[in-house]
Amino acid sequence: GIQVEQSPPDLILQEGANSTLRCNFSDSVNNLQWFHQNPWGQLINLFYIPSGTKQNGRLSATTVATERYSLLYISSSQTTDSGVYFCAVGNTGFQKLVFGTGTRLLVSP
Amino acid sequence: DGGITQSPKYLFRKEGQNVTLSCEQNLNHDAMYWYRQDPGQGLRLIYYSQIVNDFQKGDIAEGYSVSREKKESFPLTVTSAQKNPTAFYLCASSSPARGGNQPQHFGDGTRLSIL
Repeated sequence: GIQVEQSPPDLILQEGANSTLRCNFSDSVNNLQWFHQNPWGQLINLFYIPSGTKQNGRLSATTVATERYSLLYISSSQTTDSGVYFCAVGNTGFQKLVFGTGTRLLVSP
Repeated sequence: DGGITQSPKYLFRKEGQNVTLSCEQNLNHDAMYWYRQDPGQGLRLIYYSQIVNDFQKGDIAEGYSVSREKKESFPLTVTSAQKNPTAFYLCASSSPARGGNQPQHFGDGTRLSIL
């Protein structure tokens, strides 16, 4: 099955810093989502982005499907950005998602 | 508000006991899913359902069972055959189920522990 790798596994930032999270996948995809899991376990949809670029406030994402990777950019980080960021992909006619192991982000004041 | 409701938030199971986790959605989504998350790990698919009265095993279905009698509801039963049930369980839904690419939306999860 499809493999998903996320990097870095852990990231510590000072408030206000920028960061880039990467997701590599082993096969072509027709579904790619970025999620933020907060300390209470809630999984928040950030982007649905099987290809192209999207922006939402301080966050933006780019997926280069032909090269099998996606990037999540966080600008001017805030302490509330802390948590785990997951990339999940799907490549079947049905929308079955395979998750990476996540990037754990800690933003300190 | 439209969304996915999981209950209970916390659940404790005794050895040899079956327990059922509830998942209800009012998003009018056709497809529903159950995932399991272990500490420090990503989510793994247990079961999914594309339409009412139909469901398929995911990657880790052993020791679990589901039903899909109504479009809005997709309960998960953790049976006594599941030897390591302690985990965080997340339910999701999406639409449409018949082809097309739509994002999955998640509930807030249920934490299951063994007494």
